[in-house]
Amino acid sequence: GDSVTQMEGPVTLSEEAFLTINCTYTATGYPSLFWYVQYPGEGLQLLLKATKADDKGSNKGFEATYRKETTSFHLEKGSVQVSDSAVYFCALTSRSYDKVIFGPGTSLSVIP
Amino acid sequence: NAGVTQTPKFRILKIGQSMTLQCTQDMNHNYMYWYRQDPGMGLKLIYYSVGAGITDKGEVPNGYNVSRSTTEDFPLRLELAAPSQTSVYFCASSYSDYDLYNEQFFGPGTRLTVL
Repeated sequence: GDSVTQMEGPVTLSEEAFLTINCTYTATGYPSLFWYVQYPGEGLQLLLKATKADDKGSNKGFEATYRKETTSFHLEKGSVQVSDSAVYFCALTSRSYDKVIFGPGTSLSVIP
Repeated sequence: NAGVTQTPKFRILKIGQSMTLQCTQDMNHNYMYWYRQDPGMGLKLIYYSVGAGITDKGEVPNGYNVSRSTTEDFPLRLELAAPSQTSVYFCASSYSDYDLYNEQFFGPGTRLTVL
């Protein structure tokens, strides 16, 4: 079945460091891909999305490119801030579009 | 729009008690979902609904029940609470069809402890 794999955390970075969180997926068809973010004590919220191959999603300085050839959707940010400390979830739509399949999440801590 | 609202925010139950977690959305979304998130873990889908009157089981439905009598409301019922149901519960909604991606909007969560 469809699935999402993410790099294991926790990830700890210094402020202004470069961030990459790896995400790969297994799916039939052409799923839409997402990154969601969960700040402490809150629900998840959509960070960015891409709906077809080679699309780049971007928001708040974060970027991810939908790579069909490598089945990947890695999250990147050039310079992280303390306020980016959160858990990041990679996700995809199921083939029938009625469900979203989430990865296990990657915890990020940014220290001053 | 209030988005997705959940009540209560916190609850402590004794083993064997029952309760209903409420979820309401005001975005006219057709799809609604219940997830649980255990500490340090990802999300597990409990039940979902693709429209009023239609519900389906997710990965971990045992010990829970749902109903969807209106588009707006999707309550989750816990019968005979057990310590294994201690978790944070999130409700989500989305609008989805075959031409659109399924972007989910989450509520703030209900933190449930069963003692």
